[in-house]
Amino acid sequence: AQTVTQSQPEMSVQEAETVTLSCTYDTSESDYYLFWYKQPPSRQMILVIRQEAYKQQNATENRFSVNFQKAAKSFSLKISDSQLGDAAMYFCAYRSPAYSGNTPLVFGKGTRLSVIA
Amino acid sequence: GAVVSQHPSWVICKSGTSVKIECRSLDFQATTMFWYRQFPKQSLMLMATSNEGSKATYEQGVEKDKFLINHASLTLSTLTVTSAHPEDSSFYICSARGQGDTGELFFGEGSRLTVL
Repeated sequence: AQTVTQSQPEMSVQEAETVTLSCTYDTSESDYYLFWYKQPPSRQMILVIRQEAYKQQNATENRFSVNFQKAAKSFSLKISDSQLGDAAMYFCAYRSPAYSGNTPLVFGKGTRLSVIA
Repeated sequence: GAVVSQHPSWVICKSGTSVKIECRSLDFQATTMFWYRQFPKQSLMLMATSNEGSKATYEQGVEKDKFLINHASLTLSTLTVTSAHPEDSSFYICSARGQGDTGELFFGEGSRLTVL
């Protein structure tokens, strides 16, 4: 079974600075999806960024980018120019390819990010 | 597009009663829905997978008689917590997979259940 590990329970960053959240995963599959979700106090799950394993290029979404190292099974999230609204719980998640069936998301334990004004 | 609506967003009930939570896909057909449970300050734990028109598949340790899941149509799945007890108090979130699965799953807003 696949597992996702987030080794940083809490992180903090100064407003306008850059922070990197770590995520590693374990899988024997060669094709899969990786995601970062943000969960603010409202607890709504918000997709931040996604990465397909077959793509070598790192995904970017505005201030959010990932460093995807497939061989190392590492998928870190970098938040640039941090804003107060970025404060939330961040979950790294893994999903097996859709063609393999009804595959759910497997989540890490999360990293709570605080942004200091 | 790809909106999932969950209702109610929060509910308080007495111990021993049953509570139903609905998860609807508003603008797409959800062939599969996943139900997660989240305790305070913890991650999301998969409870069960439901496919339209068939019985749900429960994760190990999840009581299928306690958490009844029905996926009667391509736009609606329900989770019924039967004979609820205080230890069932939690945050329940559904997510849906569309027919044209592109990898992403779509989440409802979640339902906070408090059992007194």
